[in-house]
Amino acid sequence: GAGVSQTPSNKVTEKGKYVELRCDPISGHTALYWYRQSLGQGPEFLIYFQGTGAADDSGLPNDRFFAVRPEGSVSTLKIQRTERGDSAVYLCASSANHGGSTDTQYFGPGTRLTVL
Amino acid sequence: AQSVTQPDIHITVSEGASLELRCNYSYGATPYLFWYVQSPGQGLQLLLKYFSGDTLVQGIKGFEAEFKRSQSSFNLRKPSVHWSDAAEYFCAVGENDKIIFGKGTRLHILP
Repeated sequence: GAGVSQTPSNKVTEKGKYVELRCDPISGHTALYWYRQSLGQGPEFLIYFQGTGAADDSGLPNDRFFAVRPEGSVSTLKIQRTERGDSAVYLCASSANHGGSTDTQYFGPGTRLTVL
Repeated sequence: AQSVTQPDIHITVSEGASLELRCNYSYGATPYLFWYVQSPGQGLQLLLKYFSGDTLVQGIKGFEAEFKRSQSSFNLRKPSVHWSDAAEYFCAVGENDKIIFGKGTRLHILP
């Protein structure tokens, strides 16, 4: 079946603007994760959903970042008042079972966000 | 907090040569350890994982890794690399519901 998909693949915006990044997990996967990968770095955890609820949002850097998953499937990562330091590749992953690091997480191709 | 160190930013090997990518972790108990590969334009793909049991773990694409508690290491190996193995490799450790990644090692293959 289809893997994790993310849209858009690239997003260029201006400093101060609002952006939304979308993630479509693998069908039936209950756990969904967002990571951010800055240039030359490994992915960094942002937030984890189990079903519709955010089970762990400890990685969100500040209150400009917010994510939702209203129906337990598609998720949207929202960034308000974007800053140049938000430029990165935003990765989404999903897993089938109860979530957690022992589940195999399947990653999408990412959205490259550039803030000018 | 747990952490992962990949001491080599870049590694270059000739096609057909053996490969070892180094990874050291910091964690008090038995860690959950992973190796992922990231090719240009593709998502992260899990190569292998270690949770418990046999310390030599076999993965996909002919890769293996060995967990050595005494050295806090989980090095990735392959006996003979192919040009298609050129990619970025990430060692990672599980912490509760998240995965903590190292900074990665970029593998270059010489023809």
